[in-house]
Amino acid sequence: DAGITQSPRYKITETGRQVTLMCHQTWSHSYMFWYRQDLGHGLRLIYYSAAADITDKGEVPDGYVVSRSKTENFPLTLESATRSQTSVYFCASSESTPGAGESYTFGSGTRLTVV
Amino acid sequence: AQTVTQSQPEMSVQEAETVTLSCTYDTSESDYYLFWYKQPPSRQMILVIRQEAYKQQNATENRFSVNFQKAAKSFSLKISDSQLGDAAMYFCAYRNPDYGGSQGNLIFGKGTKLSVKP
Repeated sequence: DAGITQSPRYKITETGRQVTLMCHQTWSHSYMFWYRQDLGHGLRLIYYSAAADITDKGEVPDGYVVSRSKTENFPLTLESATRSQTSVYFCASSESTPGAGESYTFGSGTRLTVV
Repeated sequence: AQTVTQSQPEMSVQEAETVTLSCTYDTSESDYYLFWYKQPPSRQMILVIRQEAYKQQNATENRFSVNFQKAAKSFSLKISDSQLGDAAMYFCAYRNPDYGGSQGNLIFGKGTKLSVKP
């Protein structure tokens, strides 16, 4: 089915480990985004990508790495996980340029716990 | 930088009644987009309604409508005939019409948790 899928849905990892969250969309949307959701903070942008091989930092990029070698995939890597990175992570995509006013389509989120 | 403020962390409404969720934002732009998203316990982010700033008419989607006050930079969501399925976290979001950089990304408020009493 077409859509945007995130995996895994739940993940527990230890402090200092590297972990990668996957995001895959089937629409060939140009824009993709990673947000983290924390109580009292709403959703905050980590990284975004305007196209394959084009990525840029958002509001809270420290400790995260992204890549986008293919249009449909936008993995998020925590290089050395810390407890402060315990959060729910959302991937999203958008069909058009920001100026078109299109909404985003979100994945179902990954709940990451760092112990 | 633009900011979005939701001043009500939690709200409660009786089933079949009407409730209004508040949202204010700060921007120096004259053209932009505003959104309300619903997040039920399933975690899925669902678009409820969208408003273009250049349109004076308030957007409406079935039982959901907005009161867009551009001069006051206010964008409240009214839910009429509330149903149990409306219980969720609601996020207000702003998007700048910029064709480059991070200016066009969605900026979210902190959310309002809505409970619906039977």
